[in-house]
Amino acid sequence: GIQVEQSPPDLILQEGANSTLRCNFSDSVNNLQWFHQNPWGQLINLFYIPSGTKQNGRLSATTVATERYSLLYISSSQTTDSGVYFCAVGASGAGSYQLTFGKGTKLSVIP
Amino acid sequence: ETGVTQSPTHLIKTRGQQVTLRCSSQSGHNTVSWYQQALGQGPQFIFQYYREEENGRGNFPPRFSGLQFPNYSSELNVNALELDDSALYLCASSLGRTGQGTLHFGNGTRLTVT
Repeated sequence: GIQVEQSPPDLILQEGANSTLRCNFSDSVNNLQWFHQNPWGQLINLFYIPSGTKQNGRLSATTVATERYSLLYISSSQTTDSGVYFCAVGASGAGSYQLTFGKGTKLSVIP
Repeated sequence: ETGVTQSPTHLIKTRGQQVTLRCSSQSGHNTVSWYQQALGQGPQFIFQYYREEENGRGNFPPRFSGLQFPNYSSELNVNALELDDSALYLCASSLGRTGQGTLHFGNGTRLTVT
Protein backbone atom coordinates (compact mmCIF):
# COMPACT_ATOMS: atom_id res chain seq x y z
CA GLY A 1 0.00 0.00 0.00
CA ILE A 2 0.86 3.65 -0.17
CA GLN A 3 3.41 4.91 2.35
CA VAL A 4 3.23 8.32 4.06
CA GLU A 5 6.12 9.92 5.92
CA GLN A 6 5.84 13.14 7.90
CA SER A 7 8.62 15.30 9.24
CA PRO A 8 9.63 16.46 11.71
CA PRO A 9 7.98 14.14 14.26
CA ASP A 10 8.16 16.79 16.97
CA LEU A 11 8.43 20.57 16.82
CA ILE A 12 8.61 23.17 19.57
CA LEU A 13 8.06 26.80 18.59
CA GLN A 14 8.06 30.11 20.35
CA GLU A 15 4.79 31.96 19.86
CA GLY A 16 5.00 34.12 16.75
CA ALA A 17 7.46 31.87 14.91
CA ASN A 18 6.86 30.29 11.50
CA SER A 19 7.14 26.61 10.60
CA THR A 20 6.98 24.18 7.70
CA LEU A 21 5.70 20.62 8.01
CA ARG A 22 6.43 18.09 5.29
CA CYS A 23 4.59 15.05 3.98
CA ASN A 24 6.15 12.60 1.51
CA PHE A 25 4.10 9.87 -0.14
CA SER A 26 5.10 6.88 -2.20
CA ASP A 27 2.52 6.74 -5.03
CA SER A 28 0.17 8.90 -7.07
CA VAL A 29 -2.84 10.17 -5.11
CA ASN A 30 -6.32 11.46 -5.79
CA ASN A 31 -6.83 12.76 -2.28
CA LEU A 32 -4.55 14.56 0.14
CA GLN A 33 -5.74 16.26 3.28
CA TRP A 34 -4.07 17.99 6.19
CA PHE A 35 -5.70 17.63 9.61
CA HIS A 36 -5.10 19.16 13.01
CA GLN A 37 -5.88 16.99 16.03
CA ASN A 38 -6.33 19.00 19.22
CA PRO A 39 -5.51 17.66 22.70
CA TRP A 40 -9.11 16.45 23.09
CA GLY A 41 -8.82 14.20 20.04
CA GLN A 42 -10.91 16.28 17.66
CA LEU A 43 -9.64 15.89 14.10
CA ILE A 44 -10.20 19.06 12.08
CA ASN A 45 -9.74 19.29 8.35
CA LEU A 46 -7.37 22.10 7.36
CA PHE A 47 -6.96 21.57 3.62
CA TYR A 48 -8.11 19.24 0.86
CA ILE A 49 -5.16 19.63 -1.51
CA PRO A 50 -4.28 16.77 -3.90
CA SER A 51 -2.38 19.34 -5.97
CA GLY A 52 -1.66 23.06 -6.06
CA THR A 53 -1.55 25.72 -3.37
CA LYS A 54 -4.17 26.96 -0.93
CA GLN A 55 -4.20 29.52 1.84
CA ASN A 56 -6.48 30.00 4.81
CA GLY A 57 -5.48 32.82 7.13
CA ARG A 58 -2.13 32.02 8.77
CA LEU A 59 -2.05 28.56 7.21
CA SER A 60 -1.14 27.60 3.69
CA ALA A 61 -0.39 24.33 1.93
CA THR A 62 1.30 23.26 -1.28
CA THR A 63 1.20 19.83 -2.91
CA VAL A 64 3.57 18.91 -5.74
CA ALA A 65 1.92 15.70 -6.90
CA THR A 66 4.54 14.90 -9.55
CA GLU A 67 7.25 14.92 -6.88
CA ARG A 68 5.04 13.24 -4.27
CA TYR A 69 5.22 15.70 -1.43
CA SER A 70 3.10 18.28 0.36
CA LEU A 71 4.04 21.13 2.69
CA LEU A 72 1.99 22.83 5.38
CA TYR A 73 3.09 26.33 6.41
CA ILE A 74 2.11 27.89 9.71
CA SER A 75 2.93 31.56 10.12
CA SER A 76 2.88 33.67 13.30
CA SER A 77 2.15 30.57 15.40
CA GLN A 78 -0.18 30.79 18.40
CA THR A 79 -0.53 28.54 21.44
CA THR A 80 -3.87 27.32 20.04
CA ASP A 81 -1.93 25.84 17.08
CA SER A 82 -0.52 23.18 19.42
CA GLY A 83 -1.53 19.62 18.70
CA VAL A 84 -0.75 16.93 16.17
CA TYR A 85 -0.81 17.64 12.44
CA PHE A 86 -1.60 14.71 10.16
CA CYS A 87 -1.20 14.32 6.45
CA ALA A 88 -3.55 11.72 4.91
CA VAL A 89 -3.55 10.48 1.32
CA GLY A 90 -5.83 8.40 -0.85
CA ALA A 91 -4.28 6.35 -3.63
CA SER A 92 -5.42 7.05 -7.19
CA GLY A 93 -8.02 4.56 -8.32
CA ALA A 94 -8.91 3.47 -4.79
CA GLY A 95 -12.57 4.29 -5.37
CA SER A 96 -13.14 5.02 -1.71
CA TYR A 97 -12.11 7.31 1.12
CA GLN A 98 -9.47 4.83 2.30
CA LEU A 99 -6.98 7.41 3.47
CA THR A 100 -3.56 6.43 4.74
CA PHE A 101 -2.39 8.70 7.54
CA GLY A 102 1.19 9.56 8.41
CA LYS A 103 2.39 9.32 11.99
CA GLY A 104 1.91 13.03 12.47
CA THR A 105 3.95 16.03 13.59
CA LYS A 106 3.43 16.99 17.22
CA LEU A 107 3.61 20.78 17.49
CA SER A 108 4.01 22.59 20.78
CA VAL A 109 3.79 26.40 20.73
CA ILE A 110 5.08 28.01 23.91
CA PRO A 111 4.30 31.60 25.02
CA GLU B 1 -25.53 22.49 8.84
CA THR B 2 -25.18 19.64 11.35
CA GLY B 3 -21.72 18.12 11.69
CA VAL B 4 -20.77 14.49 12.28
CA THR B 5 -21.91 13.24 15.67
CA GLN B 6 -20.80 10.07 17.43
CA SER B 7 -22.08 8.24 20.48
CA PRO B 8 -21.16 7.35 23.09
CA THR B 9 -18.11 9.55 23.79
CA HIS B 10 -16.52 7.04 26.14
CA LEU B 11 -17.06 3.35 26.73
CA ILE B 12 -15.48 0.69 28.94
CA LYS B 13 -15.93 -2.98 28.01
CA THR B 14 -14.50 -6.30 29.13
CA ARG B 15 -12.48 -8.60 26.88
CA GLY B 16 -14.78 -10.94 24.96
CA GLN B 17 -17.78 -8.61 25.00
CA GLN B 18 -19.41 -6.97 21.99
CA VAL B 19 -19.78 -3.23 21.37
CA THR B 20 -21.80 -1.00 19.01
CA LEU B 21 -20.71 2.53 18.17
CA ARG B 22 -22.97 4.99 16.38
CA CYS B 23 -22.45 7.82 13.94
CA SER B 24 -24.69 10.40 12.29
CA SER B 25 -23.23 11.83 9.13
CA GLN B 26 -23.10 15.48 8.22
CA SER B 27 -26.24 16.76 6.55
CA GLY B 28 -26.25 15.88 2.84
CA HIS B 29 -23.38 13.37 3.06
CA ASN B 30 -24.07 9.84 1.80
CA THR B 31 -20.74 8.16 2.60
CA VAL B 32 -19.49 7.13 6.03
CA SER B 33 -16.00 5.87 6.85
CA TRP B 34 -14.74 4.43 10.12
CA TYR B 35 -11.19 4.74 11.44
CA GLN B 36 -9.38 3.33 14.47
CA GLN B 37 -6.72 5.45 16.18
CA ALA B 38 -4.48 3.75 18.72
CA LEU B 39 -2.66 5.93 21.23
CA GLY B 40 0.20 7.84 19.62
CA GLN B 41 -0.63 6.65 16.10
CA GLY B 42 -2.41 8.03 13.07
CA PRO B 43 -5.95 6.81 12.30
CA GLN B 44 -6.29 3.54 10.37
CA PHE B 45 -9.09 2.90 7.88
CA ILE B 46 -11.54 0.19 8.92
CA PHE B 47 -14.22 0.40 6.20
CA GLN B 48 -16.50 2.68 4.24
CA TYR B 49 -20.23 2.56 3.49
CA TYR B 50 -21.90 4.20 0.53
CA ARG B 51 -25.69 4.04 0.18
CA GLU B 52 -25.94 1.20 2.70
CA GLU B 53 -23.27 -1.00 1.10
CA GLU B 54 -19.67 -1.58 2.14
CA ASN B 55 -17.41 -0.34 -0.66
CA GLY B 56 -13.96 -0.43 0.86
CA ARG B 57 -12.31 -2.26 3.74
CA GLY B 58 -8.94 -1.96 5.46
CA ASN B 59 -6.89 -4.66 7.13
CA PHE B 60 -9.30 -5.50 9.96
CA PRO B 61 -10.72 -8.93 10.87
CA PRO B 62 -14.37 -9.89 10.21
CA ARG B 63 -15.31 -9.33 13.85
CA PHE B 64 -15.33 -5.64 12.85
CA SER B 65 -18.59 -5.12 10.99
CA GLY B 66 -20.85 -2.24 10.16
CA LEU B 67 -24.15 -1.00 8.86
CA GLN B 68 -25.39 2.09 7.12
CA PHE B 69 -29.05 3.07 7.34
CA PRO B 70 -31.28 4.80 4.75
CA ASN B 71 -30.72 8.15 6.51
CA TYR B 72 -26.94 7.54 6.02
CA SER B 73 -26.23 7.14 9.73
CA SER B 74 -23.97 4.21 10.57
CA GLU B 75 -22.98 1.68 13.21
CA LEU B 76 -19.66 -0.01 13.89
CA ASN B 77 -19.90 -3.37 15.66
CA VAL B 78 -16.96 -5.15 17.20
CA ASN B 79 -17.38 -8.72 18.48
CA ALA B 80 -15.15 -10.70 20.84
CA LEU B 81 -13.33 -7.60 22.07
CA GLU B 82 -9.58 -7.84 22.60
CA LEU B 83 -7.34 -5.62 24.72
CA ASP B 84 -5.75 -4.22 21.53
CA ASP B 85 -9.14 -2.91 20.44
CA SER B 86 -8.74 -0.13 22.99
CA ALA B 87 -8.55 3.00 20.85
CA LEU B 88 -10.31 6.14 19.65
CA TYR B 89 -12.87 5.22 16.98
CA LEU B 90 -13.52 7.99 14.49
CA CYS B 91 -16.37 8.28 12.05
CA ALA B 92 -16.11 10.52 9.00
CA SER B 93 -18.66 11.51 6.41
CA SER B 94 -18.27 12.71 2.86
CA LEU B 95 -20.14 13.12 -0.38
CA GLY B 96 -19.87 10.49 -3.10
CA ARG B 97 -17.89 7.26 -3.21
CA THR B 98 -14.87 8.06 -5.36
CA GLY B 99 -12.57 9.20 -2.60
CA GLN B 100 -12.07 12.66 -4.07
CA GLY B 101 -13.23 15.27 -1.62
CA THR B 102 -13.08 16.32 1.98
CA LEU B 103 -13.57 13.97 4.92
CA HIS B 104 -15.31 15.48 7.93
CA PHE B 105 -14.66 13.71 11.23
CA GLY B 106 -16.73 13.39 14.37
CA ASN B 107 -15.24 13.77 17.85
CA GLY B 108 -14.81 10.04 18.25
CA THR B 109 -15.67 7.33 20.75
CA ARG B 110 -12.92 6.35 23.15
CA LEU B 111 -13.17 2.61 23.83
CA THR B 112 -11.29 0.97 26.68
CA VAL B 113 -11.19 -2.83 26.86
CA THR B 114 -10.17 -4.31 30.21
